[in-house]
Amino acid sequence: AQSVTQLGSHVSVSEGALVLLRCNYSSSVPPYLFWYVQYPNQGLQLLLKYTTGATLVKGINGFEAEFKKSETSFHLTKPSAHMSDAAEYFCAVSQGDSSYKLIFGSGTRLLVRP
Amino acid sequence: GAGVSQTPSNKVTEKGKYVELRCDPISGHTALYWYRQSLGQGPEFLIYFQGTGAADDSGLPNDRFFAVRPEGSVSTLKIQRTERGDSAVYLCASSGDHPSYNEQFFGPGTRLTVL
Repeated sequence: AQSVTQLGSHVSVSEGALVLLRCNYSSSVPPYLFWYVQYPNQGLQLLLKYTTGATLVKGINGFEAEFKKSETSFHLTKPSAHMSDAAEYFCAVSQGDSSYKLIFGSGTRLLVRP
Repeated sequence: GAGVSQTPSNKVTEKGKYVELRCDPISGHTALYWYRQSLGQGPEFLIYFQGTGAADDSGLPNDRFFAVRPEGSVSTLKIQRTERGDSAVYLCASSGDHPSYNEQFFGPGTRLTVL
């Protein structure tokens, strides 16, 4: 069965600092991988996704993630945090014939300090 | 265009009551999904519709939960004999024909509280 682990339920960074949110997955076949962001009282918004091809994926708002098969990881990074990045971030995986079914991690809340 | 909308935004009910939660997908999206997000957790898959039919309802927790999409657009999630453990945010999403390749667009959710 697929699963997603997000290390750190809360991450705090200073404005301008590097953002690193960790995601590891378990999957028996090549997965599709996603990062979503959730702002208060808003729906989940897709930041980026990996399906096939280039393992470094660039998304919206300056975020990117790298698929590392050997480490079963898909960590999310941004070189310089902005106050507006404060939100909850979810990593998700899907695969194969059930690729419509997103399996989410428990989320990481990002706090950006001024 | 408009995104996915869900009504009501909040629903408070008493244990044992029946509730209906509505989802209006993005116009033209044939695929529709329901997820449930409990406090402190990520969303969990409940059901997937392709058109009018439920293609996968394996995530529905028990037979108190039922969902319909009679005309292939609006969907209603129905919960009978609600229990306190049903309290959660219920999320709806929609996408184009091929969910493998198409982004799922999420609504803001309905927060259900069962007293």
